[in-house]
Amino acid sequence: DQQVKQNSPSLSVQEGRISILNCDYTNSMFDYFLWYKKYPAEGPTFLISISSIKDKNEDGRFTVFLNKSAKHLSLHIVPSQPGDSAVYFCAASDDSSYKLIFGSGTRLLVRP
Amino acid sequence: DADVTQTPRNRITKTGKRIMLECSQTKGHDRMYWYRQDPGLGLRLIYYSFDVKDINKGEISDGYSVSRQAQAKFSLSLESAIPNQTALYFCATSINSQETQYFGPGTRLLVL
Repeated sequence: DQQVKQNSPSLSVQEGRISILNCDYTNSMFDYFLWYKKYPAEGPTFLISISSIKDKNEDGRFTVFLNKSAKHLSLHIVPSQPGDSAVYFCAASDDSSYKLIFGSGTRLLVRP
Repeated sequence: DADVTQTPRNRITKTGKRIMLECSQTKGHDRMYWYRQDPGLGLRLIYYSFDVKDINKGEISDGYSVSRQAQAKFSLSLESAIPNQTALYFCATSINSQETQYFGPGTRLLVL
């Protein structure tokens, strides 16, 4: 049973528009959430994170929103650029588990 | 130079063969991880190590073993490879479970 779910395997958006990637989780003990970006033939790289004590974290064009009551987080990319085309993984952890649980990923294509 | 390196980058082997995938890091992190990525399943944890003397099974450890030769080195072995172990394998390091994990570039393994 997947504890972290990314229900959209792919997303296509126009350059300059907003990209919204979604992630749902089931374990209420998760208290730290991360987004990773992965290009082909490379390992995932850290993008942005959020602690459960916050509901929003922003870093440049990237913003992560956390809705604890809905057990849902989202990554907003504004404006989207062709170089953002990659697979995005969300991940979650709680301090007692000592490990990250990853979602299945969403492939984002930003069209020029 | 890359902080986390993996060798080999690509490997083709036959069913029943023993193979070893190696990971080295220069980040000085105590924690190291092995994941596999399969299409539609995201990254799943195989083994993790908190230090040289502390090795733990992840969610899919059957058919795999690991060795933590030093703080900087963490090897993954497939004792008798089978075709459903065909996947992309990633090594990662971190300071602790709620800090960013830094991934290597991956090893693409094909078991015939």
